[in-house]
Amino acid sequence: NAGVMQNPRHLVRRRGQEARLRCSPVKGHSHVYWYRQLPEEGLKFMVYLQKENIIDESGMPKERFSAEFPKEGPSILRIQQVVRGDSAAYFCASSPYGTGDDTQYFGPGTRLTVL
Amino acid sequence: AQSVTQLGSHVSVSEGALVLLRCNYSSSVPPYLFWYVQYPNQGLQLLLKYTSAATLVKGINGFEAEFKKSETSFHLTKPSAHMSDAAEYFCAVSEKGNEKLTFGTGTRLTIIP
Repeated sequence: NAGVMQNPRHLVRRRGQEARLRCSPVKGHSHVYWYRQLPEEGLKFMVYLQKENIIDESGMPKERFSAEFPKEGPSILRIQQVVRGDSAAYFCASSPYGTGDDTQYFGPGTRLTVL
Repeated sequence: AQSVTQLGSHVSVSEGALVLLRCNYSSSVPPYLFWYVQYPNQGLQLLLKYTSAATLVKGINGFEAEFKKSETSFHLTKPSAHMSDAAEYFCAVSEKGNEKLTFGTGTRLTIIP
C-alpha cells in the first residue's frame, strides 16, 4: 500500500505568488489533515477535511489560505500572495473513518521557501 | 483546550544507555496520546499510541511509554539507545480519534558513540 503522498516535496515561490500543495491520502482514507511546521517548532494544526467537506478549519489563517478535498483527486492547500513568513514545512496526514483506527498517517511534507 | 509540554528540547544519551523523553499533557477529557518520530527532512512516523486501553504501551523500535493519569504524563523510554534513534521526537494529544492533534515542541535526541 502506498502511503500518503505529497507533491511537490520542495517549492520555491517569490513574494506575492501563489503556492499549491497537493496531498494524496492513503488509499481508502476519507479524512485529511494539514499541519504546518515552522523552523525549530512543532507541528500546528491547520485544517481537517473529508471528501467535499471542511470539518474543522480553526487553525487556518483567516486570509490567503484555503483548502479543499474534492470528490476526485488529491487534497489541495492553496496559499495566495505568499509572504516570507509562510516559509515552512507543510505536512498532510490521512486517516480512515469508521474502522476503529484513529491513527493519522503522515506524508513526507512539502517544504515551501518564499524568497 | 489541550496542550502538550515536552521538557528538554535537546537530549543527549550515550549509545546503550537509557532513553527517557518527557511529555506532560493537559486535556479536559480522557486523552488519546501519541509519540511520533521525525528523521531529518522526512515526515512523521508513529512510534506508539495510547487510546484508553493498557497504560503501558509498546511501540516500534523498542520504545514504550506509560500513561500516568495522576501525573498527566506520557513519557517515552527505551532501555538501550542505538545510533539510529537519533531524530526529533514529538508527543501529541487529541481528544478522541480522528480529531486534530496538538503537538509538543519536540525533543531532539542525540546519541553519543
